[in-house]
Amino acid sequence: NAGVTQTPKFQVLKTGQSMTLQCAQDMNHNSMYWYRQDPGMGLRLIYYSASEGTTDKGEVPNGYNVSRLNKREFSLRLESAAPSQTSVYFCATTPPWGTEAFFGQGTRLTV
Amino acid sequence: RKEVEQDPGPFNVPEGATVAFNCTYSNSASQSFFWYRQDCRKEPKLLMSVYSSGNEDGRFTAQLNRASQYISLLIRDSKLSDSATYLCVVIYSSASKIIFGSGTRLSIRP
Repeated sequence: NAGVTQTPKFQVLKTGQSMTLQCAQDMNHNSMYWYRQDPGMGLRLIYYSASEGTTDKGEVPNGYNVSRLNKREFSLRLESAAPSQTSVYFCATTPPWGTEAFFGQGTRLTV
Repeated sequence: RKEVEQDPGPFNVPEGATVAFNCTYSNSASQSFFWYRQDCRKEPKLLMSVYSSGNEDGRFTAQLNRASQYISLLIRDSKLSDSATYLCVVIYSSASKIIFGSGTRLSIRP
Protein backbone atom coordinates (compact mmCIF):
# COMPACT_ATOMS: atom_id res chain seq x y z
CA ASN A 1 0.00 0.00 0.00
CA ALA A 2 2.01 2.94 -1.30
CA GLY A 3 -0.49 5.73 -0.48
CA VAL A 4 0.46 8.67 -2.70
CA THR A 5 3.34 8.31 -5.14
CA GLN A 6 4.93 11.23 -6.93
CA THR A 7 7.46 11.08 -9.72
CA PRO A 8 10.08 12.31 -10.27
CA LYS A 9 11.54 13.25 -6.90
CA PHE A 10 14.00 15.72 -8.43
CA GLN A 11 14.08 17.53 -11.77
CA VAL A 12 16.19 20.25 -13.34
CA LEU A 13 14.81 22.03 -16.39
CA LYS A 14 15.98 24.80 -18.63
CA THR A 15 13.75 27.80 -19.21
CA GLY A 16 11.18 26.95 -21.86
CA GLN A 17 11.33 23.19 -21.45
CA SER A 18 8.19 21.23 -20.65
CA MET A 19 7.57 18.38 -18.28
CA THR A 20 4.82 16.49 -16.50
CA LEU A 21 4.77 15.66 -12.81
CA GLN A 22 2.98 12.43 -12.10
CA CYS A 23 0.89 11.57 -9.04
CA ALA A 24 -0.90 8.33 -8.30
CA GLN A 25 -2.87 7.24 -5.23
CA ASP A 26 -4.08 3.80 -4.29
CA MET A 27 -6.43 4.98 -1.54
CA ASN A 28 -9.55 5.11 -3.75
CA HIS A 29 -10.11 8.79 -2.95
CA ASN A 30 -11.99 11.14 -5.24
CA SER A 31 -10.25 14.38 -4.29
CA MET A 32 -6.69 15.11 -5.40
CA TYR A 33 -4.61 18.28 -5.23
CA TRP A 34 -1.41 19.85 -6.47
CA TYR A 35 0.44 22.35 -4.28
CA ARG A 36 3.65 24.25 -4.58
CA GLN A 37 5.77 25.31 -1.64
CA ASP A 38 8.27 28.12 -1.78
CA PRO A 39 10.49 29.13 1.13
CA GLY A 40 8.47 31.05 3.70
CA MET A 41 5.27 30.83 1.63
CA GLY A 42 3.61 27.69 2.95
CA LEU A 43 1.66 25.48 0.55
CA ARG A 44 -0.29 27.16 -2.22
CA LEU A 45 -2.95 25.32 -4.18
CA ILE A 46 -2.30 25.12 -7.92
CA TYR A 47 -5.18 22.91 -9.07
CA TYR A 48 -7.51 20.40 -7.53
CA SER A 49 -9.79 17.66 -8.75
CA ALA A 50 -12.90 16.72 -6.82
CA SER A 51 -13.49 13.63 -8.94
CA GLU A 52 -12.41 11.84 -12.10
CA GLY A 53 -12.92 14.09 -15.09
CA THR A 54 -13.18 17.37 -13.15
CA THR A 55 -10.49 19.91 -12.35
CA ASP A 56 -10.57 23.40 -10.87
CA LYS A 57 -8.08 26.19 -10.50
CA GLY A 58 -6.59 26.97 -7.16
CA GLU A 59 -4.70 29.99 -5.94
CA VAL A 60 -1.76 29.92 -8.39
CA PRO A 61 -2.77 28.09 -11.62
CA ASN A 62 -0.96 30.25 -14.17
CA GLY A 63 1.69 28.38 -16.13
CA TYR A 64 0.27 24.95 -15.29
CA ASN A 65 -2.18 22.46 -16.72
CA VAL A 66 -3.56 19.33 -15.11
CA SER A 67 -5.15 16.08 -16.19
CA ARG A 68 -7.24 13.76 -14.05
CA LEU A 69 -6.68 10.70 -16.17
CA ASN A 70 -8.64 8.36 -13.93
CA LYS A 71 -9.46 8.04 -10.26
CA ARG A 72 -5.88 7.09 -9.38
CA GLU A 73 -3.84 9.59 -11.36
CA PHE A 74 -3.59 13.37 -11.39
CA SER A 75 -0.78 14.90 -13.43
CA LEU A 76 0.61 18.44 -13.48
CA ARG A 77 2.17 19.82 -16.65
CA LEU A 78 4.48 22.74 -17.16
CA GLU A 79 4.31 23.66 -20.84
CA SER A 80 7.13 26.21 -20.81
CA ALA A 81 9.07 26.22 -17.57
CA ALA A 82 10.11 29.53 -16.04
CA PRO A 83 12.55 30.25 -13.19
CA SER A 84 9.59 31.40 -11.08
CA GLN A 85 8.36 27.81 -11.13
CA THR A 86 11.36 26.61 -9.16
CA SER A 87 9.69 25.13 -6.13
CA VAL A 88 8.78 21.96 -4.27
CA TYR A 89 5.58 20.40 -5.60
CA PHE A 90 3.33 18.20 -3.48
CA CYS A 91 0.43 16.06 -4.56
CA ALA A 92 -2.23 15.25 -1.96
CA THR A 93 -5.50 13.40 -1.61
CA THR A 94 -8.34 13.36 0.92
CA PRO A 95 -11.18 10.94 1.61
CA PRO A 96 -14.73 12.19 0.91
CA TRP A 97 -15.53 12.85 4.55
CA GLY A 98 -12.84 15.55 4.63
CA THR A 99 -10.48 14.19 7.18
CA GLU A 100 -6.74 13.76 6.99
CA ALA A 101 -4.86 14.81 3.86
CA PHE A 102 -2.26 12.39 2.53
CA PHE A 103 0.78 13.69 0.70
CA GLY A 104 3.29 12.40 -1.76
CA GLN A 105 6.96 12.89 -0.93
CA GLY A 106 7.28 15.93 -3.14
CA THR A 107 9.08 16.85 -6.36
CA ARG A 108 11.94 19.34 -6.14
CA LEU A 109 12.00 21.27 -9.39
CA THR A 110 14.71 23.71 -10.41
CA VAL A 111 14.34 25.82 -13.52
CA ARG B 1 -6.81 38.67 3.29
CA LYS B 2 -5.64 35.05 3.32
CA GLU B 3 -8.23 32.41 4.17
CA VAL B 4 -5.97 30.92 6.83
CA GLU B 5 -3.42 33.03 8.66
CA GLN B 6 -0.63 32.04 10.98
CA ASP B 7 2.19 33.83 12.71
CA PRO B 8 5.22 32.72 10.68
CA GLY B 9 7.57 32.90 13.64
CA PRO B 10 10.23 31.75 14.03
CA PHE B 11 9.67 30.80 17.65
CA ASN B 12 12.93 29.99 19.35
CA VAL B 13 12.36 28.55 22.83
CA PRO B 14 14.43 26.52 25.31
CA GLU B 15 13.87 22.84 25.83
CA GLY B 16 11.15 22.25 28.40
CA ALA B 17 9.27 25.46 27.64
CA THR B 18 5.60 25.71 26.78
CA VAL B 19 4.80 27.29 23.43
CA ALA B 20 1.48 28.16 21.79
CA PHE B 21 0.52 28.92 18.20
CA ASN B 22 -2.68 30.43 16.90
CA CYS B 23 -4.28 30.29 13.50
CA THR B 24 -7.28 32.27 12.23
CA TYR B 25 -9.58 31.34 9.37
CA SER B 26 -11.98 33.55 7.48
CA ASN B 27 -14.57 31.18 6.00
CA SER B 28 -17.25 30.13 8.45
CA ALA B 29 -18.20 27.22 6.15
CA SER B 30 -14.99 25.51 7.15
CA GLN B 31 -15.69 22.13 8.66
CA SER B 32 -12.55 20.24 9.61
CA PHE B 33 -9.44 21.58 11.25
CA PHE B 34 -6.02 20.07 11.72
CA TRP B 35 -2.48 20.74 12.74
CA TYR B 36 0.20 19.30 10.49
CA ARG B 37 3.90 19.08 11.14
CA GLN B 38 6.45 19.55 8.38
CA ASP B 39 10.11 18.76 8.78
CA CYS B 40 12.63 20.43 6.53
CA ARG B 41 12.29 19.30 2.90
CA LYS B 42 9.71 16.65 3.77
CA GLU B 43 5.98 16.32 3.13
CA PRO B 44 3.52 17.56 5.77
CA LYS B 45 2.21 14.93 8.14
CA LEU B 46 -0.84 14.98 10.36
CA LEU B 47 -0.08 15.96 13.95
CA MET B 48 -3.62 16.06 15.28
CA SER B 49 -7.19 16.93 14.46
CA VAL B 50 -8.86 19.84 16.22
CA TYR B 51 -12.30 19.54 17.82
CA SER B 52 -14.59 22.14 19.33
CA SER B 53 -14.34 20.45 22.70
CA GLY B 54 -10.55 20.59 22.56
CA ASN B 55 -8.35 17.57 22.39
CA GLU B 56 -5.08 16.45 23.88
CA ASP B 57 -2.44 14.03 22.68
CA GLY B 58 0.38 13.70 25.18
CA ARG B 59 2.18 17.03 25.36
CA PHE B 60 0.05 18.54 22.60
CA THR B 61 -3.31 20.27 23.08
CA ALA B 62 -5.44 21.62 20.25
CA GLN B 63 -8.47 23.88 20.58
CA LEU B 64 -11.05 25.29 18.19
CA ASN B 65 -13.07 28.44 18.75
CA ARG B 66 -15.74 28.61 16.05
CA ALA B 67 -17.23 31.89 17.30
CA SER B 68 -13.91 33.69 16.95
CA GLN B 69 -12.74 31.52 14.04
CA TYR B 70 -9.39 30.48 15.37
CA ILE B 71 -7.59 27.30 16.32
CA SER B 72 -4.65 26.89 18.64
CA LEU B 73 -1.89 24.43 19.38
CA LEU B 74 -0.15 24.21 22.74
CA ILE B 75 3.05 22.23 23.20
CA ARG B 76 4.13 21.55 26.78
CA ASP B 77 7.56 20.41 27.96
CA SER B 78 9.00 20.99 24.48
CA LYS B 79 11.66 18.62 23.17
CA LEU B 80 14.45 19.20 20.68
CA SER B 81 12.59 16.86 18.33
CA ASP B 82 9.62 19.26 18.27
CA SER B 83 11.65 21.62 16.06
CA ALA B 84 9.68 21.83 12.80
CA THR B 85 7.17 23.94 10.94
CA TYR B 86 3.59 23.61 12.14
CA LEU B 87 0.85 24.10 9.58
CA CYS B 88 -2.72 25.00 10.34
CA VAL B 89 -5.07 23.24 7.89
CA VAL B 90 -8.73 23.81 7.10
CA ILE B 91 -10.80 21.43 5.00
CA TYR B 92 -14.18 22.54 3.69
CA SER B 93 -17.21 20.35 4.10
CA SER B 94 -17.21 19.32 0.46
CA ALA B 95 -13.59 18.21 0.85
CA SER B 96 -12.98 19.97 -2.44
CA LYS B 97 -10.49 22.38 -0.94
CA ILE B 98 -7.76 22.10 1.64
CA ILE B 99 -6.40 25.43 2.76
CA PHE B 100 -3.03 25.63 4.49
CA GLY B 101 -1.66 28.33 6.64
CA SER B 102 1.83 29.43 5.71
CA GLY B 103 3.22 27.65 8.75
CA THR B 104 4.89 28.62 12.01
CA ARG B 105 8.53 27.71 12.42
CA LEU B 106 9.51 26.38 15.82
CA SER B 107 13.08 25.90 16.94
CA ILE B 108 13.82 24.30 20.32
CA ARG B 109 17.25 25.05 21.74
CA PRO B 110 19.08 22.91 24.33
